[in-house]
Amino acid sequence: GEDVEQSLFLSVREGDSSVINCTYTDSSSTYLYWYKQEPGAGLQLLTYIFSNMDMKQDQRLTVLLNKKDKHLSLRIADTQTGDSAIYFCAESPSGTYKYIFGTGTRLKVLA
Amino acid sequence: GAVVSQHPSWVICKSGTSVKIECRSLDFQATTMFWYRQFPKQSLMLMATSNEGSKATYEQGVEKDKFLINHASLTLSTLTVTSAHPEDSSFYICSARDRRQGREKLFFGSGTQLSVL
Repeated sequence: GEDVEQSLFLSVREGDSSVINCTYTDSSSTYLYWYKQEPGAGLQLLTYIFSNMDMKQDQRLTVLLNKKDKHLSLRIADTQTGDSAIYFCAESPSGTYKYIFGTGTRLKVLA
Repeated sequence: GAVVSQHPSWVICKSGTSVKIECRSLDFQATTMFWYRQFPKQSLMLMATSNEGSKATYEQGVEKDKFLINHASLTLSTLTVTSAHPEDSSFYICSARDRRQGREKLFFGSGTQLSVL
């Protein structure tokens, strides 16, 4: 079935790197996404990666994709207190516009 | 980037009343919009896919008569929670696909917190 899993919590110190992991199940997914949600707000698209790529870098964000293991990660360099939020990975199975979201990882950045 | 406006951002209502939530794409046309529900500290659950000019497609377990969806124009979809009960209290989020940019871009509204007393 469709199931996207993430660890629930991550705590890092300001200035350190954060790595948020995600495993997904649908190998047909063409795109994989990372979204950020701040308290009481909607979702903000951070970045996405096409399934034929294994890495994508966008400023402080680095996405790594291991398609064989169906593993996706988001690395945030030089994490700041403003990065504290919930991060969701999502997959979009081939042939559909539906997004399947992970359980979300709550990132807390300590000053 | 594209903007999706969702209104209201929060609403409190009495049990048994109906509540309408609007989702507008402000600077693009959206043939497809999606409605999600999010319980506290949980992930987003897709409720239905709203298609402009046709009936919505509901996910398994979602009552179509309780959650009425109307997508009458390319920029507006509405979700009406009919005869709301306390168990309907939740955070509802809409999203819209910008067809100019292809399927890889989906934009989200800011969400509506519904509290049913």
